[in-house]
Amino acid sequence: DVKVTQSSRYLVKRTGEKVFLECVQDMDHENMFWYRQDPGLGLRLIYFSYDVKMKEKGDIPEGYSVSREKKERFSLILESASTNQTSMYLCASSKQGTGNTIYFGEGSWLTVV
Amino acid sequence: GENVEQHPSTLSVQEGDSAVIKCTYSDSASNYFPWYKQELGKRPQLIIDIRSNVGEKKDQRIAVTLNKTAKHFSLHITETQPEDSAVYFCAASRTGTASKLTFGTGTRLQVTL
Repeated sequence: DVKVTQSSRYLVKRTGEKVFLECVQDMDHENMFWYRQDPGLGLRLIYFSYDVKMKEKGDIPEGYSVSREKKERFSLILESASTNQTSMYLCASSKQGTGNTIYFGEGSWLTVV
Repeated sequence: GENVEQHPSTLSVQEGDSAVIKCTYSDSASNYFPWYKQELGKRPQLIIDIRSNVGEKKDQRIAVTLNKTAKHFSLHITETQPEDSAVYFCAASRTGTASKLTFGTGTRLQVTL
């Protein structure tokens, strides 16, 4: 059974803080993704990675960065958190190639005050 | 890039009735169309998918149809049950290294007794 684990389910951070969201998958998947979920906007891709140390911008990368030092781990970094980054963040992974199922983690609820 | 529109945003049906959710996409090169179900407080999970070389696919009470000419695809749920109540997301992707998905904005389905 595929497991995508996000280290924190609920976080409250202050404006300007640096925030790290961690994600680990145990299926040796090449691809990893970070999505943001907001009501009425669906799931929007922030960044993705198709290999270790490789990253590509998604649709809404501004204000975020990522790190993939190991195949199983993909981190999302908010360099200076702002209130408009309050959201649900979903990590996901998949095998390389078209049409392979993307598996999601349980999500991290981030509130920036 | 790809743009996926999804309608309706909310849908209420009586138990036993059918539900239909429709999506359109913009990128004619998209060739993979999955549907995800997200129950309250849970992660999105794949329920059915279709590839561009197929017009229809069924799995028990759910079916997906694809019209490549018109660039739209639909989810059909028959004999709805209360446990079908959830948010449903359509998505599209094209062949590529990471096959990233572009999601629709979601449909909240409520099945009433």
